[in-house]
Amino acid sequence: GAVVSQHPSRVICKSGTSVKIECRSLDFQATTMFWYRQFPKQSLMLMATSNEGSKATYEQGVEKDKFLINHASLTLSTLTVTSAHPEDSSFYICSARDPGGPGEKLFFGSGTQLSVL
Amino acid sequence: AQTVTQSQPEMSVQEAETVTLSCTYDTSESDYYLFWYKQPPSRQMILVIRQEAYKQQNATENRFSVNFQKAAKSFSLKISDSQLGDAAMYFCAYLNYGGSQGNLIFGKGTKLSVKP
Repeated sequence: GAVVSQHPSRVICKSGTSVKIECRSLDFQATTMFWYRQFPKQSLMLMATSNEGSKATYEQGVEKDKFLINHASLTLSTLTVTSAHPEDSSFYICSARDPGGPGEKLFFGSGTQLSVL
Repeated sequence: AQTVTQSQPEMSVQEAETVTLSCTYDTSESDYYLFWYKQPPSRQMILVIRQEAYKQQNATENRFSVNFQKAAKSFSLKISDSQLGDAAMYFCAYLNYGGSQGNLIFGKGTKLSVKP
């Protein structure tokens, strides 16, 4: 089946630094990728939708200047948490949409646990 | 706006028994997809089963089956012959059919425990 690779799986950084998370579709071209945030014992909250070659669409309440999303190719989207603070500590998950074939196919990365000290 | 509701924060089942997880949703659309995802402690989101709203037949995947009631906007998941490996968070999710964005709307989840 289709695979989405997400790296790093875990990152610890100091407050004020920036962290980049990568999401790659390994065997299909993902025209659309999604970034979610998940707090402990809670559901996934959509942060933004990333379309290849265009600006990301952010959900209400998500700071676009803090969470920079780049979808420069059909297989790679990146989320950069700029000037990270402890409140940004969370689990971040990407998903990619495979437009090929019938039906809707969405595949998830394995997630990134971000801890900001 | 579409919403997904899972009214059972936690459920427990004895190994080899059957358990049903509830999910209701609200939408004004007629064509859409519904999903059940499993999230084990590893946090990897795993697709359990999916249902297209236009199909009357309930989806089945081995020990997992759904009871899809479109008029009632209900989409429950039945796990038969429960196994220890079924213990996880289960999320019900909704997706508009043919939506240009294709983002899933998740319920709050149900934590399933399996007792040996």
